[in-house]
Amino acid sequence: RKEVEQDPGPFNVPEGATVAFNCTYSNSASQSFFWYRQDCRKEPKLLMSVYSSGNEDGRFTAQLNRASQYISLLIRDSKLSDSATYLCVAKGELSNFGNEKLTFGTGTRLTIIP
Amino acid sequence: DVKVTQSSRYLVKRTGEKVFLECVQDMDHENMFWYRQDPGLGLRLIYFSYDVKMKEKGDIPEGYSVSREKKERFSLILESASTNQTSMYLCATTGGLRQFFGPGTRLTVL
Repeated sequence: RKEVEQDPGPFNVPEGATVAFNCTYSNSASQSFFWYRQDCRKEPKLLMSVYSSGNEDGRFTAQLNRASQYISLLIRDSKLSDSATYLCVAKGELSNFGNEKLTFGTGTRLTIIP
Repeated sequence: DVKVTQSSRYLVKRTGEKVFLECVQDMDHENMFWYRQDPGLGLRLIYFSYDVKMKEKGDIPEGYSVSREKKERFSLILESASTNQTSMYLCATTGGLRQFFGPGTRLTVL
């Protein structure tokens, strides 16, 4: 089982619609979670952190459910510019020397259709 | 803004060649990382370094080595390139909770 699992999509969504992605993680010791966005042929960039109480940044809302070990990302009023791959990331797995590592999901591909 | 640069955007090498991928960051961060990204497999950690001359294996270190002689520079070395090392290689550095990625090097091994 992958440590961080996402539906790869693709999600093809009409402009203006609301779309939601889920991501599950297997390591219950994971402490921090993030959503990264990756445009085609570009590097990943941090979209938002995910807090236990849920957090919102404009049209984007992220939530964490520790009991069920999943995080979600909701995009409202989707724009053409939201087309990208969204990577779910968990932090907390420790390396052999006690350093925290990030574990990435394989990403969910989103295309917003005009 | 943090800047992470990688020496090449595209690289083509032959099987058996020694390959050096260079990464430089300008923010004096201690932690640096090398990932590879493949379709369907996502980003996988190869090696990381948390200080000069300090390194630690990631999830897929086989066939790779690294060098960190200066804080700002982290090199990934393919001792003898093989076709299954054809991939996108991404360098990253950590500032606080956030990882900053370089633009990536697309390596093709023929």
